[in-house]
Amino acid sequence: GQQLNQSPQSMFIQEGEDVSMNCTSSSIFNTWLWYKQDPGEGPVLLIALYKAGELTSNGRLTAQFGITRKDSFLNISASIPSDVGIYFCAGFTGTASKLTFGTGTRLQVTL
Amino acid sequence: DAGVTQSPTHLIKTRGQQVTLRCSPKSGHDTVSWYQQALGQGPQFIFQYYEEEERQRGNFPDRFSGHQFPNYSSELNVNALLLGDSALYLCASSLGQPTGGYTFGSGTRLTVV
Repeated sequence: GQQLNQSPQSMFIQEGEDVSMNCTSSSIFNTWLWYKQDPGEGPVLLIALYKAGELTSNGRLTAQFGITRKDSFLNISASIPSDVGIYFCAGFTGTASKLTFGTGTRLQVTL
Repeated sequence: DAGVTQSPTHLIKTRGQQVTLRCSPKSGHDTVSWYQQALGQGPQFIFQYYEEEERQRGNFPDRFSGHQFPNYSSELNVNALLLGDSALYLCASSLGQPTGGYTFGSGTRLTVV
């Protein structure tokens, strides 16, 4: 099935550093979502974006809905050890039933 | 307030067998979706149930079927299991059209041997 392309696939960063990741698609999306998944758990919603150009923050997390509606970006500032996990972008096209997920970015934080 | 609950948490089945996974949506939610997440991959949409009917289906064979009950809980059935069906099966719920995203359960880890 279709999946959104995320980059990077994985990253090691030091505590306190800022993190950037992005998600691209060949199709236009009406809604972009960012989820975090910890081992053995389901994805947890971090941020939802609803219109092109929108910039939304949730604590140390900031996400943007790309102008072309084919991409989205997530930034994490001043990373901490509990930021470790897999970050997925996801989106709705057309009718909001089927949620398409990205390939994931695995984040590991070292002290 | 209980979130989405799934049972069982882990399951081991033999090729060719049939399996039933269960999901109770978050209180107040009426729509249930099922996703398959293979190791190292993002979740893939299987199907969605609303008002006890399958509303939309992803690219999964007919071996995958589901049901939604009047209390909004749902079951996912997989027949004639293949080794490739080994995955984490996630249930997600929402109220109507989930423009704000779904609430996911912790999943059922199915291993087919």
